Amino acid sequence: QVTLKESGPVLVKPTETLTLTCSVSGFSLNNPRMGVSWIRQPPGKALEWLAHIFPSDEKSYSPSVRSRLTISKDSSKSQVVLTMTNMDPVDTATYYCARIEFSDLDVWGQGTTVTVSS
Amino acid sequence: SYEVTQPASVSVSPGQTASITCSGDKLEDRYVCWYQQKPGQSPILVIYQDNKRPSGIPERFSGSNSGNTATLTISGAQAMDEAVYFCQAWDSNTAVFGTGTQVTVL
Repeated sequence: QVTLKESGPVLVKPTETLTLTCSVSGFSLNNPRMGVSWIRQPPGKALEWLAHIFPSDEKSYSPSVRSRLTISKDSSKSQVVLTMTNMDPVDTATYYCARIEFSDLDVWGQGTTVTVSS
Repeated sequence: SYEVTQPASVSVSPGQTASITCSGDKLEDRYVCWYQQKPGQSPILVIYQDNKRPSGIPERFSGSNSGNTATLTISGAQAMDEAVYFCQAWDSNTAVFGTGTQVTVL
């Protein structure tokens, strides 16, 4: 069974750096057909794709937040990490990780809610 | 940057057909996926590569993509289908989501 689970702080202060971890099971981060994406959703709003990473270490970032994001993976730990710098209240959202198979986000984690407030 | 647009809401009577559109420039040149999200839950994939259903997704869900418009069709809508539906495509190795369509079954 494929699962993904997000973890990280519930509350961060403005200007701080957010670090989120996606722990995966049921598939390998070395599988060349599969990658992992991060997506966020502000309360009551649409989904926003943030970044993805593939086994080849190919990475891609959303142009709107590219300068603030870093995505990395540790295949031995089956984890994908996303860092976002200079957090702002507008970054308050539920953050999801999801597996990419070919072009589909076929399995999603439960999401983790992050609030940015002083 | 590439954008895809969806209607904000669609209403359908139980047992009838709901059609949700996703519009973007030359969208037919890209694969489109559809995700269903119920309140308080994570999205789930209901259609991929324009018209394929993942295992476990009911046959009443179907998809098409032609010209500038992709369409998700729910044939014989049920109360359990009430949710927000998002379309998604890829542009220059970045994923683009639509704004979401609230489907109400009443």
